[in-house]
Amino acid sequence: DGGITQSPKYLFRKEGQNVTLSCEQNLNHDAMYWYRQDPGQGLRLIYYSQIVNDFQKGDIAEGYSVSREKKESFPLTVTSAQKNPTAFYLCASSMGLAVYFGPGTRLTVL
Amino acid sequence: DQQVKQNSPSLSVQEGRISILNCDYTNSMFDYFLWYKKYPAEGPTFLISISSIKDKNEDGRFTVFLNKSAKHLSLHIVPSQPGDSAVYFCAAMGTSYDKVIFGPGTSLSVIP
Repeated sequence: DGGITQSPKYLFRKEGQNVTLSCEQNLNHDAMYWYRQDPGQGLRLIYYSQIVNDFQKGDIAEGYSVSREKKESFPLTVTSAQKNPTAFYLCASSMGLAVYFGPGTRLTVL
Repeated sequence: DQQVKQNSPSLSVQEGRISILNCDYTNSMFDYFLWYKKYPAEGPTFLISISSIKDKNEDGRFTVFLNKSAKHLSLHIVPSQPGDSAVYFCAAMGTSYDKVIFGPGTSLSVIP
């Protein structure tokens, strides 16, 4: 049963703490992405990776960091430098035209 | 600079009628266009796509039309059902599939 998993579904952190969001896929996709969605806004690209050990900044990369040490995994760290971290975060992977999304993680910074 | 635009943030349609969601893009290098549907607190799910070499693609109640000269595409849902109420995102990709650009979304409400 192939797909993308993101955990946890809900995450709460105190202001000033770094937090890492997990994204795992077993679809054997080369490309992986992180998006952020805020109320009333579309999906905005944070980081993407086309291949292991390589990644590029998206439109809103400031305050975030990623790694791509394995093909299956693309964790996103929300650092304390991110001014408005509370949002819904979506991970995706793609192979050619097909893009698959994970269920998302709702991060709330208190 | 927004490369994919959905100028209507919301749309209300009566059940059984046609829903038309519009999308405009600025980058003529986009080769593929996709529509996604998203319910609250869930990841988007793929609906339908169209290649730039086509002007229409149909899948059940969903039809996507592409006007390449106008850099415009639209999603038609006929007949609309209450379960279609969701946010619809238009997205675009280039030939190299290097990244997917999403529009801001249109919230569709289908009224019973």
